[in-house]
Parts: sequence; structure tokens; C-alpha cells
Amino acid sequence: DTGVSQDPRHKITKRGQNVTFRCDPISEHNRLYWYRQTLGQGPEFLTYFQNEAQLEKSRLLSDRFSAERPKGSFSTLEIQRTEQGDSAMYLCASRSGGTGSPLHFGNGTRLTVT
Amino acid sequence: GEDVEQSLFLSVREGDSSVINCTYTDSSSTYLYWYKQEPGAGLQLLTYIFSNMDMKQDQRLTVLLNKKDKHLSLRIADTQTGDSAIYFCAESTLTGGGNKLTFGTGTQLKVEL
Repeated sequence: DTGVSQDPRHKITKRGQNVTFRCDPISEHNRLYWYRQTLGQGPEFLTYFQNEAQLEKSRLLSDRFSAERPKGSFSTLEIQRTEQGDSAMYLCASRSGGTGSPLHFGNGTRLTVT
Repeated sequence: GEDVEQSLFLSVREGDSSVINCTYTDSSSTYLYWYKQEPGAGLQLLTYIFSNMDMKQDQRLTVLLNKKDKHLSLRIADTQTGDSAIYFCAESTLTGGGNKLTFGTGTQLKVEL
């Protein structure tokens, strides 16, 4: 079990630049989630995929954010025209299809917008 | 709507038991989870409980669920310095988002020698 893998671990970017993060879920998991965590807070739901279909998006996911999972395996999260308020830890999680099966999280990508 | 609340800090001595409490609001929650987060890392699943259970034990961990009061607790027996971390309670909501979890703000556990 290789676990959920996220890349990069850290990203520092200047305001206005675009960034893209990648998540590789546990291989047999067909459900994939993106969360955002700011300092001192719990993770907040951003979006969810079942296979390649994006089934739900949070109101937190402004139109500068886009997520894809083109082949139902890895996923990317892109933020366009980054703002300082986007600085956070972006966490990816996956789970199997069983009812109540828990989310397994990656180690996250820490984004700092200067 | 969903809301999960936890106390912010807990300090215990090594070898004592720790009890971390959580309250949630969504009465339709079917599963409740405990995760642990160490500095700079993601969330590690500790244990979870189905809402029709009132207790679950897993080695040093005991989860108690009072569904009437919407209160969940995590007891760690014989707390060790390696247990120092932030502990998150989460409730599941089986909406269009599948098993979407709503997290509390976390309880920072500090274990002192």
C-alpha cells in the first residue's frame, strides 16, 4: 500500500501566477477528494470525484480553481491568478466505494503566495 | 447544516489517559471519525464508528458515542509523548458528495513528561 501521494510538497509562488498540484490516490480507490486547510483550522471540503466525474464542488472553489481527474486515476488541482488568501495546505484524499469507508489522506501540498 | 466543535487544547502527563471531546450537529451523520495530524503532515486515520454503535475499542483507543447528545469522545490510554499531535473529529454526510467529511477545528494534545 503506497498510500496517497501528492506533489509537490511545497510550492512558493508570486501573486498572480498559476499553480498546479497533483494527487495520486491509492490505486484501487475510485473516489477522490480535495480539501484545503489553513493554519489553526480543520480541513475544508473543496471538491469530490467518483472515477473521472466531478460530482460536487464547494462554494470555496471559486472560478480561479479547477480540478480534473481525466482517466479516473490521478487528479490535478489548478489555481489561476493566485492570491495571498490562497496560501494554505491542499490535501488530497481517496477512499474505496464501500459505505462509510474512511478517507485516506496524502501529506498535502503547502502553498505560499507572496 | 454541519458543524463540528472541539476544545482547542489538552495537556496531559505521560502515562495518564487523555480524553478528547467533540460535538456535532448533523443528526443524520452515519459515521464519525478521528484523525491525527502531526506537524507538516497529512491526516492519519485513527479510528471510526458507525452511528448505531455507542462504543468502539481499538488497542489504546476507545471511542464513545452519545448519539442523543451528539457527543463523541476519544480516550487514549497510557498516553505517550509520541501521541502529541492535533486530533480532528469528523462527521460524514452522505450527500451528493459521497462520504464527504466535515471536520472540527482540532484539539492540540500536548504530552508532558
